Amino acid sequence: AQTVTQSQPEMSVQEAETVTLSCTYDTSESDYYLFWYKQPPSRQMILVIRQEAYKQQNATENRFSVNFQKAAKSFSLKISDSQLGDAAMYFCAYRSPGAQKLVFGQGTRLTINP
Amino acid sequence: DVKVTQSSRYLVKRTGEKVFLECVQDMDHENMFWYRQDPGLGLRLIYFSYDVKMKEKGDIPEGYSVSREKKERFSLILESASTNQTSMYLCASPPPNRGRDTEAFFGQGTRLTVV
Repeated sequence: AQTVTQSQPEMSVQEAETVTLSCTYDTSESDYYLFWYKQPPSRQMILVIRQEAYKQQNATENRFSVNFQKAAKSFSLKISDSQLGDAAMYFCAYRSPGAQKLVFGQGTRLTINP
Repeated sequence: DVKVTQSSRYLVKRTGEKVFLECVQDMDHENMFWYRQDPGLGLRLIYFSYDVKMKEKGDIPEGYSVSREKKERFSLILESASTNQTSMYLCASPPPNRGRDTEAFFGQGTRLTVV
């Protein structure tokens, strides 16, 4: 069974600085999808970014980018120019192809200091 | 926009009560999921359904059951609520797996307290 590990329960960063959230996963599959979800205080889960394992290029969405290291099974999220609205719980998630269920990590609570 | 709606944001129930958590999606999706979210544990899958009247156990099904009588509605049932079921419950519904990178859409969560 696949597992996802987020080793940082909490992180904090100064506004406008850059922060990196870590995620590692364990799988024997060669093709899969990885996601970062954001859960603000409203509790609504929001997809931040996704990565397909067969793509070598790291995904980027505006200020959010990932460092996908397939051999190391690592999928970190970098947030540049942090904003107060980035404060939230962040979850890393894994999905097998052909399956719909997501396997989540433990979550990282990100605080942005003004 | 895909909309997944959970009937309650907050619920307080007594130990031993039968509890129903309702989830409705308005996009005609076959797939629906119930997750439980606890601090330090992330989201864990309780049950999921690929179609009407179909259900499969997830990773932590003990103490729960589900009902999918209509495509748009997926209910999570706590047959006899216990204090260790105090948690946040999230419903999710991804579109059909015809694409390679479909994302799941979530409800707003129900925070259940069992006293």
